[in-house]
Amino acid sequence: DGGITQSPKYLFRKEGQNVTLSCEQNLNHDAMYWYRQDPGQGLRLIYYSQIVNDFQKGDIAEGYSVSREKKESFPLTVTSAQKNPTAFYLCASSITGDSPLHFGNGTRLTVT
Amino acid sequence: AQSVTQLDSQVPVFEEAPVELRCNYSSSVSVYLFWYVQYPNQGLQLLLKYLSGSTLVESINGFEAEFNKSQTSFHLRKPSVHISDTAEYFCAVGSNDYKLSFGAGTTVTVRA
Repeated sequence: DGGITQSPKYLFRKEGQNVTLSCEQNLNHDAMYWYRQDPGQGLRLIYYSQIVNDFQKGDIAEGYSVSREKKESFPLTVTSAQKNPTAFYLCASSITGDSPLHFGNGTRLTVT
Repeated sequence: AQSVTQLDSQVPVFEEAPVELRCNYSSSVSVYLFWYVQYPNQGLQLLLKYLSGSTLVESINGFEAEFNKSQTSFHLRKPSVHISDTAEYFCAVGSNDYKLSFGAGTTVTVRA
């Protein structure tokens, strides 16, 4: 079955450490996205990529970095510069910019 | 840019009763709209979408939403809910720029 795989499901890190969240899709979608979800705030866009080797900042990109070296993969690095990294992170993909998003099951990151 | 307001953060409802989740948006350009559903500790799943054409859109599990351009609304309704409809529901608005905006979410709790 086609879909988006995010790993790991739960991730724990100490403050000051960088951490990379994995996102892989086998839907052959060109576009991929990273969203952050906090209680009562909905989803906020961190980064998105319309095509391989290209990506753009979303609304809350500070303290995060991404790469898009392969169509299938869009890893997100949460750096030590991100002031409040504890959150639920969701990866998504879509065929085009106006088509529905397909979401992974998320990674819950806890930084202490 | 667009923004989304979901007017109710919590909606308790009895089983087999009707439910309406309200969504208003603001945008200076033509938009497309979605409703997504999220079960605990999972990603979001597409419930229904409006891209163009008929303003009344339906999902396979009994939900429907009506796009009202003059009132800039996209309210979600179901005439009779089940226990399994307990979830969080998100309204989202986009305009073909890859930057989908989400509301803060409405938690629906169905009671027997």
